[in-house]
Amino acid sequence: DQQVKQNSPSLSVQEGRISILNCDYTNSMFDYFLWYKKYPAEGPTFLISISSIKDKNEDGRFTVFLNKSAKHLSLHIVPSQPGDSAVYFCAASGPGGYQKVTFGTGTKLQVIP
Amino acid sequence: NAGVTQTPKFRVLKTGQSMTLLCAQDMNHEYMYWYRQDPGMGLRLIHYSVGEGTTAKGEVPDGYNVSRLKKQNFLLGLESAAPSQTSVYFCASSLDRDPPLHFGNGTRLTVT
Repeated sequence: DQQVKQNSPSLSVQEGRISILNCDYTNSMFDYFLWYKKYPAEGPTFLISISSIKDKNEDGRFTVFLNKSAKHLSLHIVPSQPGDSAVYFCAASGPGGYQKVTFGTGTKLQVIP
Repeated sequence: NAGVTQTPKFRVLKTGQSMTLLCAQDMNHEYMYWYRQDPGMGLRLIHYSVGEGTTAKGEVPDGYNVSRLKKQNFLLGLESAAPSQTSVYFCASSLDRDPPLHFGNGTRLTVT
């Protein structure tokens, strides 16, 4: 039972345009959400997070939106750059700390110059 | 400051062989974790530790054992490797129970 779903395995976007990566979850107990970025042959690196008490968090070119009623979050990258090409993992945690985190299956983003 | 270092980077085992993966962190983090990543499955938690001398089971613990004798090291052992354990293994650490996690660069293990 996949509690965190990233339904798009891949996404291609032109440089300078907006990239929108989506994530859906089923467990209503999740209260903290994160996005990780992963380059080939490297470990995931933390990108941005959002608590369930907020509906938006922004960090430079990256913005995460949370719609709790729809159990949906999205990551917006504006403008997209070729260096953003990577696999992006959505993750969610609930009460109990990080040992209870669940990761999505990832979306591979390709930014075309 | 190396962060989280995993050894080895690659390994090939035959079914039934044993091995130990080493994870070392130099950030004085309390929490450490072992994940595996498989195609189409995301990252799944194998075992974790909330401090020196402690270990606990994660989502997919069967076939693995762990030890945390020193705060900076977290070892993952496979006593009798099986082809189903072919995967990429990631170690991670965190300062406390809250995110974010800091990951190592992974170990690619193939069991034939």
